[in-house]
Amino acid sequence: DAKTTQPNSMESNEEEPVHLPCNHSTISGTDYIHWYRQLPSQGPEYVIHGLTSNVNNRMASLAIAEDRKSSTLILHRATLRDAAVYYCILRDPLNQAGTALIFGKGTTLSVSS
Amino acid sequence: DAGVTQSPTHLIKTRGQQVTLRCSPKSGHDTVSWYQQALGQGPQFIFQYYEEEERQRGNFPDRFSGHQFPNYSSELNVNALLLGDSALYLCASSSKTGRFTDTQYFGPGTRLTVL
Repeated sequence: DAKTTQPNSMESNEEEPVHLPCNHSTISGTDYIHWYRQLPSQGPEYVIHGLTSNVNNRMASLAIAEDRKSSTLILHRATLRDAAVYYCILRDPLNQAGTALIFGKGTTLSVSS
Repeated sequence: DAGVTQSPTHLIKTRGQQVTLRCSPKSGHDTVSWYQQALGQGPQFIFQYYEEEERQRGNFPDRFSGHQFPNYSSELNVNALLLGDSALYLCASSSKTGRFTDTQYFGPGTRLTVL
């Protein structure tokens, strides 16, 4: 699986938008971009995923660069509950080897009131 | 609808002992993956089970073994425990069919401490 690069940490204030960047310059044409987050003392949870077009769901938005070498997870109004480690992961659903998630160290997001 | 459940929540063992961790997948899921998460690190993939067979394995020694039962639940066994095996062990379930393909749902984990 191709590698991703994320900042170690970011800070935000409550009710402000947060843009979490991810670089994946070696992404292949069949790799989907997945985001998971891990709240304190919990297992990771799925946030969003996309291939080429920008995606929105109730949790967040995913903006994907036209060349797909980078993406940004957008939390439109951060809350204290959004404080977590955010992981950007590339997944190829056609990978016959399996569907393991390869986690990096992620970005630790701190949210202040 | 219950999500992924794991037992026990916490476990303390001594070096050289053996441990078994258990996982029940989310309803409708047929695939179980296990991950090890050391303090301050991202989860590391151990192995994945589907149709009661190990389908994919990460870079873990043979001391780590598993099993999947006909009801899709799974066990992770670790033999000859080392201090370095102390970690949070996460189970994730997913479905190889249907619209949930490829999204993994994680349990809360089992915290293993080896003394």
